[in-house]
Amino acid sequence: GAVVSQHPSRVICKSGTSVKIECRSLDFQATTMFWYRQFPKQSLMLMATSNEGSKATYEQGVEKDKFLINHASLTLSTLTVTSAHPEDSSFYICSARDSGGAEFFGPGTRLTVL
Amino acid sequence: TQLLEQSPQFLSIQEGENLTVYCNSSSVFSSLQWYRQEPGEGPVLLVTVVTGGEVKKLKRLTFQFGDARKDSSLHITAAQPGDTGLYLCAGEFAGYALNFGKGTSLLVTP
Repeated sequence: GAVVSQHPSRVICKSGTSVKIECRSLDFQATTMFWYRQFPKQSLMLMATSNEGSKATYEQGVEKDKFLINHASLTLSTLTVTSAHPEDSSFYICSARDSGGAEFFGPGTRLTVL
Repeated sequence: TQLLEQSPQFLSIQEGENLTVYCNSSSVFSSLQWYRQEPGEGPVLLVTVVTGGEVKKLKRLTFQFGDARKDSSLHITAAQPGDTGLYLCAGEFAGYALNFGKGTSLLVTP
């Protein structure tokens, strides 16, 4: 099946710093990528929809100035958590949709803000 | 807005038992997917159901899509410890983001 990678897999940072997470579709082009956030033992919460070459669409309650999304190419989307705080600690997962509409998930990034 | 109600949220059973997870909605979906997720990893797609009334089997797992395409079920026969994980259903309206249920955390003990 299609492969989606995320980098880094884990990151620990100090409060107030910014963290960038990359999401890549390795063997297909994805016009649409999604970013999710997941708390322990809970389901995925959609944060934003990222379309190549255009601005991301954010879900209600997600601060677009805090969670910056860039979808510069058909295989790469990045999520930057700006001025991170401990409450931003979470598991961030991206997914990529191929031309047939199938959606493939990345392995996730564990963010810990001290 | 949680469009999909998934139940039960938690399930602890012994090896060899059968179980069923339900996913219900008042909305009609163009397709519905079931995922399994292990701690610290991303969800892995198990199956996609598209046609109302469709039944798909994956070894000991049986997936059913309701006739009206509003609900689905996942039945596991003779559960094994390796089936332990978080099971997620997700409905799709064509072209839009997936709507996830709250998930069912399954623990199968030897």
